[in-house]
Amino acid sequence: AQKITQTQPGMFVQEKEAVTLDCTYDTSDPSYGLFWYKQPSSGEMIFLIYQGSYDQQNATEGRYSLNFQKARKSANLVISASQLGDSAMYFCALTGNQFYFGTGTSLTVIP
Amino acid sequence: GAGVSQSPSNKVTEKGKDVELRCDPISGHTALYWYRQRLGQGLEFLIYFQGNSAPDKSGLPSDRFSAERTGESVSTLTIQRTQQEDSAVYLCASSLAFFGGAGADTDTQYFGPGTRLTVL
Repeated sequence: AQKITQTQPGMFVQEKEAVTLDCTYDTSDPSYGLFWYKQPSSGEMIFLIYQGSYDQQNATEGRYSLNFQKARKSANLVISASQLGDSAMYFCALTGNQFYFGTGTSLTVIP
Repeated sequence: GAGVSQSPSNKVTEKGKDVELRCDPISGHTALYWYRQRLGQGLEFLIYFQGNSAPDKSGLPSDRFSAERTGESVSTLTIQRTQQEDSAVYLCASSLAFFGGAGADTDTQYFGPGTRLTVL
């Protein structure tokens, strides 16, 4: 079975600080992809970052980086220099033979 | 270019009625996905299409749910005899292809704005 686990239902971070959102996964597929999406209160799903299972380096996209530890099956999202606009739900997702989204982490950035 | 579009944006229906939800994927995207998101919850995967074929329908909640895709483009999710527990936002996404781990360009799913379904 495949699944995604996000253990932090809610997180708070001070503006301009960095924050790490945790994600662990379980899959038996040799090839898979890991995603992070942001969902603001408006409801749209915004793609942030992608990590392929065969990628040797951690993915980075601007202030977002993915701390990929394949042996531990973790794919944590790191947001540097948090901004007020980062307040949203964040979902980790796994794609392989099936598709799974985590239950999400609600991030609140405090001024 | 144009993103994923869904219609209607909102649908209110009475229990027992049938509803059709439409999704227009990004042009050229061969893979299309349907998800359900209940209020305050994560995304529940329903079904995906590779081209016009849906290899795995096991994510559909019941036999009242069906989906089709024609011309490797538009997809319709149909819910028959709607129940109150069907109330949710139904999200559609598309990706260039479905290979799982082939790379960001291929795998990344781009989402539509969703259809909010309310069953009274």
